[in-house]
Order: sequence, then C-alpha cells, then structure tokens
Amino acid sequence: KAGVTQTPRYLIKTRGQQVTLSCSPISGHRSVSWYQQTPGQGLQFLFEYFSETQRNKGNFPGRFSGRQFSNSRSEMNVSTLELGDSALYLCASSPTGQGGSLGANVLTFGAGSRLTVL
Amino acid sequence: AQKVTQAQTEISVVEKEDVTLDCVYETRDTTYYLFWYKQPPSGELVFLIRRNSFDEQNEISGRYSWNFQKSTSSFNFTITASQVVDSAVYFCALSRNDMRFGAGTRLTVKP
Repeated sequence: KAGVTQTPRYLIKTRGQQVTLSCSPISGHRSVSWYQQTPGQGLQFLFEYFSETQRNKGNFPGRFSGRQFSNSRSEMNVSTLELGDSALYLCASSPTGQGGSLGANVLTFGAGSRLTVL
Repeated sequence: AQKVTQAQTEISVVEKEDVTLDCVYETRDTTYYLFWYKQPPSGELVFLIRRNSFDEQNEISGRYSWNFQKSTSSFNFTITASQVVDSAVYFCALSRNDMRFGAGTRLTVKP
C-alpha cells in the first residue's frame, strides 16, 4: 500500500511569509504526527492529530499550527516565518496514535518537506 | 521528564566490522516503549525495532541485534558485519505520550 506522502518536498520562502505543508497518511491510519528536524535541535515533536483533534502538542510557538481533515490528511502551517524555521518537516502516521497504552504504535514516516527560509 | 541520550555523534567503521550504537534513556514511567529508527540520506525514517518496558529479552534480526537493560536504562543496537548500505543516521526513541528522539548517531561504513 502507498506510504506517507508529503508535499511539497522542497520549498523556499522569505522571512515573514507563511507556509502550508501537507501530509497524506497511510490508508486506514487515523493518527498523524509532525516533527521538525534541524541540525542543532534534532528531531522535535510538533503535534499529533487523531480523528481531526489535536491530542498532543510539543513546545513550539503559536506560529506553528495544524489541522486534520475527515479523511485523515493533515496540514501544518507556519506563519510569520523566521530564519530558524528552516528545517526538514517530517510527518508520520500510525493506526491509532501515540501515548499511553497506544504508545506502542509504530510511526511510519514520510520523506519530509524541506523548508528553507531566506 | 523523558530524555534520550545518544552520546555517539558520529561513528566510522570499515565494512565487515561490528559496531554498537549506544542509547540511554530517562523516564519516570513504568510503562513505556523504546524504538530504533534509521534515516538514510533520502530522509525518510525507517522503523527498525520496538520494545516495551516489560520485555527485556534481547532480539536478533539478521545482522541486527538489540540489548535492552532496564537496570542501566540502556537500549543498545549492534550491527554485525557492517555493510556500506548500513550508512545512515540512527535514532533511538522513547514513547509514552509523545515520541522523544535522541540526537542520532551518524554511522559511516567505508568499503
């Protein structure tokens, strides 16, 4: 079956602009998580959505937001871009989700969207 | 607080050498899950193994083996007879309410 699809794969923006990234999970997966990967901070958890609801959120400013649609596809948005937002943004899906007794779920990752902010 | 430490930033070996990637974690939870993921140059993280906190059995899968020791809060990963295709960044992760990744270890296997 198809894997996790992220679009666009590469994009360049300038400071102050906003960006929207898209993630299509594996068919049947209802949980989508987003991660930011930078050389300095490594892989950091942004947020997780399950059944169109944000269930967990990492320690990022409010400029970072997301949503999930009824078909489980997810988008994340970053407003008022800063140079430090340049990163690889990874999306991952799982059947049910992270956390608690469901924390055993294996995450399947997409190839990422590489954002460069100039 | 949950934390994962991968002290080895980069490791370089010659093909056919054995290599062990270290992972030490911190958590106050009694139920948790540990993972290893591989990130090749393409960027997509690939799942390698999952372990729950109640299962301390070591596991072997082909050339890969994992040693989980709760007493030392470690979950180390060994590649036997390394190959050039093993070159990648390897991440150890701890999952409870969200997945916390270590900083990763970049493994380079030279021919």
